[in-house]
Amino acid sequence: AAGVIQSPRHLIKEKRETATLKCYPIPRHDTVYWYQQGPGQDPQFLISFYEKMQSDKGSIPDRFSAQQFSDYHSELNMSSLELGDSALYFCASSLVLGREGPTGELFFGEGSRLTVL
Amino acid sequence: GENVEQHPSTLSVQEGDSAVIKCTYSDSASNYFPWYKQELGKRPQLIIDIRSNVGEKKDQRIAVTLNKTAKHFSLHITETQPEDSAVYFCAASRGGNTPLVFGKGTRLSVIA
Repeated sequence: AAGVIQSPRHLIKEKRETATLKCYPIPRHDTVYWYQQGPGQDPQFLISFYEKMQSDKGSIPDRFSAQQFSDYHSELNMSSLELGDSALYFCASSLVLGREGPTGELFFGEGSRLTVL
Repeated sequence: GENVEQHPSTLSVQEGDSAVIKCTYSDSASNYFPWYKQELGKRPQLIIDIRSNVGEKKDQRIAVTLNKTAKHFSLHITETQPEDSAVYFCAASRGGNTPLVFGKGTRLSVIA
Protein backbone atom coordinates (compact mmCIF):
# COMPACT_ATOMS: atom_id res chain seq x y z
CA ALA A 1 0.00 0.00 0.00
CA ALA A 2 1.14 3.52 -0.69
CA GLY A 3 2.60 5.40 2.24
CA VAL A 4 3.46 9.00 2.98
CA ILE A 5 6.55 9.95 0.99
CA GLN A 6 8.94 12.60 2.24
CA SER A 7 11.96 14.07 0.53
CA PRO A 8 14.76 14.58 1.00
CA ARG A 9 15.46 12.04 3.74
CA HIS A 10 18.57 13.90 4.86
CA LEU A 11 19.55 17.52 4.40
CA ILE A 12 22.57 19.46 5.60
CA LYS A 13 22.51 23.24 5.53
CA GLU A 14 24.54 26.13 6.86
CA LYS A 15 23.13 28.77 9.19
CA ARG A 16 21.07 31.42 7.44
CA GLU A 17 20.44 29.19 4.43
CA THR A 18 17.03 28.04 3.26
CA ALA A 19 15.59 24.55 2.98
CA THR A 20 12.49 23.03 1.43
CA LEU A 21 10.96 19.74 2.51
CA LYS A 22 8.39 17.90 0.43
CA CYS A 23 5.59 15.58 1.41
CA TYR A 24 3.37 13.39 -0.73
CA PRO A 25 0.40 12.16 1.31
CA ILE A 26 -1.36 8.86 0.88
CA PRO A 27 -3.70 9.13 -2.12
CA ARG A 28 -7.19 10.33 -1.22
CA HIS A 29 -6.12 11.52 2.21
CA ASP A 30 -7.51 15.00 2.77
CA THR A 31 -5.37 16.28 5.65
CA VAL A 32 -1.63 16.83 5.92
CA TYR A 33 0.24 17.64 9.13
CA TRP A 34 3.82 18.77 9.69
CA TYR A 35 5.63 17.95 12.92
CA GLN A 36 9.11 18.84 14.16
CA GLN A 37 10.92 16.47 16.49
CA GLY A 38 14.15 17.58 18.13
CA PRO A 39 16.59 15.03 19.63
CA GLY A 40 14.98 13.28 22.58
CA GLN A 41 11.84 15.38 22.21
CA ASP A 42 8.21 14.70 21.40
CA PRO A 43 6.84 15.64 17.99
CA GLN A 44 5.74 19.28 17.99
CA PHE A 45 2.91 20.27 15.69
CA LEU A 46 3.81 22.96 13.17
CA ILE A 47 0.97 23.35 10.70
CA SER A 48 -1.76 21.40 8.91
CA PHE A 49 -3.83 21.57 5.77
CA TYR A 50 -7.30 20.25 5.08
CA GLU A 51 -8.29 20.01 1.44
CA LYS A 52 -5.40 22.30 0.47
CA MET A 53 -6.40 25.06 2.88
CA GLN A 54 -4.45 25.82 6.04
CA SER A 55 -6.33 24.23 8.89
CA ASP A 56 -4.40 24.66 12.12
CA LYS A 57 -1.21 26.40 13.09
CA GLY A 58 1.03 25.34 15.94
CA SER A 59 4.50 26.37 17.02
CA ILE A 60 5.73 27.21 13.54
CA PRO A 61 8.34 30.00 13.48
CA ASP A 62 7.66 33.02 11.27
CA ARG A 63 10.75 31.99 9.26
CA PHE A 64 8.88 28.87 8.16
CA SER A 65 6.02 28.67 5.72
CA ALA A 66 4.10 25.83 4.16
CA GLN A 67 1.55 25.20 1.50
CA GLN A 68 -0.38 22.39 -0.09
CA PHE A 69 -0.65 22.21 -3.83
CA SER A 70 -3.41 21.17 -6.21
CA ASP A 71 -2.00 17.62 -6.38
CA TYR A 72 -2.18 17.48 -2.55
CA HIS A 73 1.55 17.38 -2.02
CA SER A 74 2.84 19.80 0.59
CA GLU A 75 6.06 21.72 1.05
CA LEU A 76 7.61 23.18 4.18
CA ASN A 77 9.89 26.12 3.46
CA MET A 78 12.41 27.14 6.07
CA SER A 79 14.49 30.30 5.78
CA SER A 80 17.25 31.93 7.84
CA LEU A 81 18.04 28.52 9.31
CA GLU A 82 19.31 28.39 12.87
CA LEU A 83 21.20 25.66 14.70
CA GLY A 84 18.07 24.95 16.73
CA ASP A 85 16.18 24.01 13.57
CA SER A 86 18.17 20.79 13.39
CA ALA A 87 15.53 18.10 13.84
CA LEU A 88 13.50 15.34 12.27
CA TYR A 89 10.59 16.77 10.33
CA PHE A 90 7.66 14.45 9.90
CA CYS A 91 4.77 14.79 7.56
CA ALA A 92 1.63 12.81 8.31
CA SER A 93 -1.61 12.41 6.44
CA SER A 94 -5.07 11.22 7.36
CA LEU A 95 -8.53 10.86 5.93
CA VAL A 96 -11.15 12.64 7.98
CA LEU A 97 -14.55 14.13 7.36
CA GLY A 98 -13.61 17.62 8.41
CA ARG A 99 -13.43 19.12 11.87
CA GLU A 100 -16.60 17.44 13.10
CA GLY A 101 -15.91 13.93 11.92
CA PRO A 102 -14.08 11.15 13.75
CA THR A 103 -10.31 11.47 13.75
CA GLY A 104 -8.69 9.24 11.22
CA GLU A 105 -5.45 7.44 11.92
CA LEU A 106 -2.40 9.56 11.19
CA PHE A 107 0.09 7.89 8.88
CA PHE A 108 3.59 9.27 9.27
CA GLY A 109 6.24 9.51 6.61
CA GLU A 110 9.77 8.37 7.36
CA GLY A 111 10.83 11.91 8.11
CA SER A 112 13.40 14.37 6.79
CA ARG A 113 16.44 14.85 8.97
CA LEU A 114 17.67 18.44 8.79
CA THR A 115 21.10 19.27 10.14
CA VAL A 116 22.08 22.92 10.38
CA LEU A 117 25.80 23.58 10.75
CA GLY B 1 -4.92 24.51 24.15
CA GLU B 2 -4.48 20.86 24.96
CA ASN B 3 -1.69 19.78 27.31
CA VAL B 4 -0.73 16.13 27.66
CA GLU B 5 1.35 14.92 30.57
CA GLN B 6 3.03 11.51 30.40
CA HIS B 7 4.67 9.42 33.15
CA PRO B 8 7.13 7.92 33.70
CA SER B 9 9.76 9.35 31.40
CA THR B 10 11.80 6.14 31.62
CA LEU B 11 10.75 2.64 32.54
CA SER B 12 12.81 -0.53 32.85
CA VAL B 13 11.16 -3.91 33.22
CA GLN B 14 12.29 -7.51 33.14
CA GLU B 15 11.28 -9.54 30.14
CA GLY B 16 7.89 -11.11 30.76
CA ASP B 17 6.78 -8.45 33.23
CA SER B 18 4.09 -5.87 32.54
CA ALA B 19 4.64 -2.20 31.75
CA VAL B 20 2.20 0.63 32.43
CA ILE B 21 2.46 4.16 31.07
CA LYS B 22 0.05 6.87 32.15
CA CYS B 23 -1.09 10.10 30.54
CA THR B 24 -3.36 12.94 31.56
CA TYR B 25 -4.92 15.54 29.29
CA SER B 26 -6.36 18.95 29.98
CA ASP B 27 -8.93 19.57 27.24
CA SER B 28 -12.25 17.95 28.13
CA ALA B 29 -13.23 18.20 24.45
CA SER B 30 -10.50 15.75 23.42
CA ASN B 31 -12.02 12.52 22.20
CA TYR B 32 -9.28 10.59 20.42
CA PHE B 33 -6.29 9.07 22.23
CA PRO B 34 -3.69 7.15 20.23
CA TRP B 35 -0.46 5.57 21.42
CA TYR B 36 2.65 5.53 19.25
CA LYS B 37 5.82 3.49 19.41
CA GLN B 38 8.96 5.10 18.05
CA GLU B 39 12.31 3.43 17.57
CA LEU B 40 15.44 5.54 17.32
CA GLY B 41 15.48 7.60 14.14
CA LYS B 42 12.27 6.04 12.87
CA ARG B 43 8.77 7.33 12.39
CA PRO B 44 6.11 7.05 15.12
CA GLN B 45 3.95 4.01 14.55
CA LEU B 46 0.42 3.67 15.87
CA ILE B 47 0.08 0.69 18.18
CA ILE B 48 -3.40 1.25 19.60
CA ASP B 49 -5.96 4.02 19.92
CA ILE B 50 -9.13 4.65 21.86
CA ARG B 51 -12.04 7.01 21.40
CA SER B 52 -13.98 8.70 24.17
CA ASN B 53 -17.04 6.49 23.80
CA VAL B 54 -15.03 3.45 24.95
CA GLY B 55 -13.43 2.77 28.33
CA GLU B 56 -11.03 0.03 27.37
CA LYS B 57 -9.56 -1.54 24.26
CA LYS B 58 -7.29 -4.52 23.94
CA ASP B 59 -5.13 -5.91 21.14
CA GLN B 60 -3.19 -9.03 22.09
CA ARG B 61 -0.55 -7.95 24.65
CA ILE B 62 -1.50 -4.27 24.49
CA ALA B 63 -4.43 -2.58 26.19
CA VAL B 64 -5.48 0.99 26.73
CA THR B 65 -7.88 2.31 29.36
CA LEU B 66 -9.58 5.69 29.41
CA ASN B 67 -11.11 7.55 32.33
CA LYS B 68 -12.91 10.58 30.89
CA THR B 69 -13.95 11.91 34.27
CA ALA B 70 -10.40 12.02 35.54
CA LYS B 71 -9.03 12.87 32.08
CA HIS B 72 -6.42 10.19 32.05
CA PHE B 73 -5.58 7.19 29.94
CA SER B 74 -3.06 4.41 30.28
CA LEU B 75 -1.16 1.94 28.14
CA HIS B 76 -0.63 -1.57 29.45
CA ILE B 77 1.82 -3.98 27.85
CA THR B 78 1.84 -7.52 29.21
CA GLU B 79 4.46 -10.23 28.77
CA THR B 80 7.00 -7.68 27.61
CA GLN B 81 9.66 -8.71 25.13
CA PRO B 82 13.01 -7.10 24.28
CA GLU B 83 11.57 -5.90 20.96
CA ASP B 84 9.07 -3.80 22.94
CA SER B 85 11.99 -1.54 23.90
CA ALA B 86 11.33 1.87 22.33
CA VAL B 87 9.96 5.30 23.13
CA TYR B 88 6.19 5.36 23.57
CA PHE B 89 4.14 8.52 23.08
CA CYS B 90 0.57 9.14 24.08
CA ALA B 91 -1.41 11.80 22.24
CA ALA B 92 -4.81 13.47 22.29
CA SER B 93 -6.95 15.41 19.86
CA ARG B 94 -10.42 16.95 19.67
CA GLY B 95 -11.35 14.88 16.69
CA GLY B 96 -11.85 15.61 13.03
CA ASN B 97 -8.68 17.02 11.54
CA THR B 98 -7.51 18.82 14.66
CA PRO B 99 -3.84 18.03 15.28
CA LEU B 100 -2.57 15.51 17.77
CA VAL B 101 -0.84 16.86 20.87
CA PHE B 102 1.82 14.47 22.11
CA GLY B 103 3.06 13.67 25.58
CA LYS B 104 6.79 13.90 26.28
CA GLY B 105 7.33 10.19 25.75
CA THR B 106 8.39 7.20 27.85
CA ARG B 107 11.56 5.32 27.10
CA LEU B 108 10.81 1.67 27.80
CA SER B 109 13.66 -0.77 28.23
CA VAL B 110 12.87 -4.48 28.45
CA ILE B 111 15.76 -6.37 30.00
CA ALA B 112 16.24 -9.94 28.86
